[in-house]
Amino acid sequence: RKEVEQDPGPFNVPEGATVAFNCTYSNSASQSFFWYRQDCRKEPKLLMSVYSSGNEDGRFTAQLNRASQYISLLIRDSKLSDSATYLCVVKAAGNKLTFGGGTRVLVKP
Amino acid sequence: DAGVIQSPRHEVTEMGQEVTLRCKPISGHNSLFWYRQTMMRGLELLIYFNNNVPIDDSGMPEDRFSAKMPNASFSTLKIQPSEPRDSAVYFCASRRPGQGGNEKLFFGSGTQLSVL
Repeated sequence: RKEVEQDPGPFNVPEGATVAFNCTYSNSASQSFFWYRQDCRKEPKLLMSVYSSGNEDGRFTAQLNRASQYISLLIRDSKLSDSATYLCVVKAAGNKLTFGGGTRVLVKP
Repeated sequence: DAGVIQSPRHEVTEMGQEVTLRCKPISGHNSLFWYRQTMMRGLELLIYFNNNVPIDDSGMPEDRFSAKMPNASFSTLKIQPSEPRDSAVYFCASRRPGQGGNEKLFFGSGTQLSVL
């Protein structure tokens, strides 16, 4: 089993709709969680951290479920510019960050 | 401010040749990471340095791969000899000291390596 698993998608989303997807992790000792965004042929960039109580950043909402060992990302009112690959990142002890394979989101007019 | 700078942007080489990838982290950042990204395996951590010291190289595929960080502003990843299966995008990333749980990595634009 991979340390961090994501549905590769693609998730085809009508513009203005809501889309949500999860990421599961295998190490119960994982301490920190993040979502990164990667555009086609570009480098990954931090989208948001995921806090235990859940957190929002504009149209983006991230949640953590430690009992079931997954995090989620929800995008409301999808924009064409939200089309990208969303990478789940998990940090266990030490400095090592493990990336998931990414979930591709395509927002269509 | 300049971000993480990687060179070259693209590298095409023949099997058996030596390849050297270069990275200049953001000034003031004390952690540096080398990642490799492929369609099949996603983004994999190869090695990371803290204060120029290699901390975890467990992701380095084999002895053909080596990485150095002679000073705080420069790192290299070398593949010798290169093989077609090494073809991938290689990313370098750096991070500020003392971030605690806020693990914001700043990535370079990557080096697209093709080994023929």
